[in-house]
Amino acid sequence: NAGVTQTPKFRILKIGQSMTLQCTQDMNHNYMYWYRQDPGMGLKLIYYSVGAGITDKGEVPNGYNVSRSTTEDFPLRLELAAPSQTSVYFCASSQSRIPGLGETQYFGPGTRLLVL
Amino acid sequence: TQLLEQSPQFLSIQEGENLTVYCNSSSVFSSLQWYRQEPGEGPVLLVTVVTGGEVKKLKRLTFQFGDARKDSSLHITAAQPGDTGLYLCAGKDTNAGKSTFGDGTTLTVKP
Repeated sequence: NAGVTQTPKFRILKIGQSMTLQCTQDMNHNYMYWYRQDPGMGLKLIYYSVGAGITDKGEVPNGYNVSRSTTEDFPLRLELAAPSQTSVYFCASSQSRIPGLGETQYFGPGTRLLVL
Repeated sequence: TQLLEQSPQFLSIQEGENLTVYCNSSSVFSSLQWYRQEPGEGPVLLVTVVTGGEVKKLKRLTFQFGDARKDSSLHITAAQPGDTGLYLCAGKDTNAGKSTFGDGTTLTVKP
């Protein structure tokens, strides 16, 4: 298994441009997540999905959109890039939740985005 | 919104020293996880604690979940340079399919 893969690894955008960050997992996980991590900080949840066709907002969803047409893929869309969106973006996935237990989130290697 | 506060934010110690980092909240979590992240990589899970008062050991690392399931600590014995990294705690709400992350503790262990 490749686990969680993300593309691209690094991207520079101009203000107002749009792009899609790709995320794919081959572990048949139902749950998928998008986080952003600013320098020296923890992870902030942007959007998450509990299964194909179902998405929900996290802590910082403004300026982003997601879709989940398949179990494997969970792309993150930036429509009008702004300097405030300069960050490292991590995608993660986890198995179906067992009530009361914490399942492992598997993280991708990240996409580093610079908006100028 | 559930918040997790980690302390200290930065910690720089010599090889062989012991250290403890903390993760505190006013909210109750069904479980709490500790992750370690190296520069340029994604976080990697170290441990999950579920029961209040639970203690788990992973070699030189000891993790404890508070009795009220609102806080946790990570103690490292005889730290080594390979322990250097960003340590993140994440609390899971049973009723939601998502975790809340703290801002992390950046640990540097000097040889």
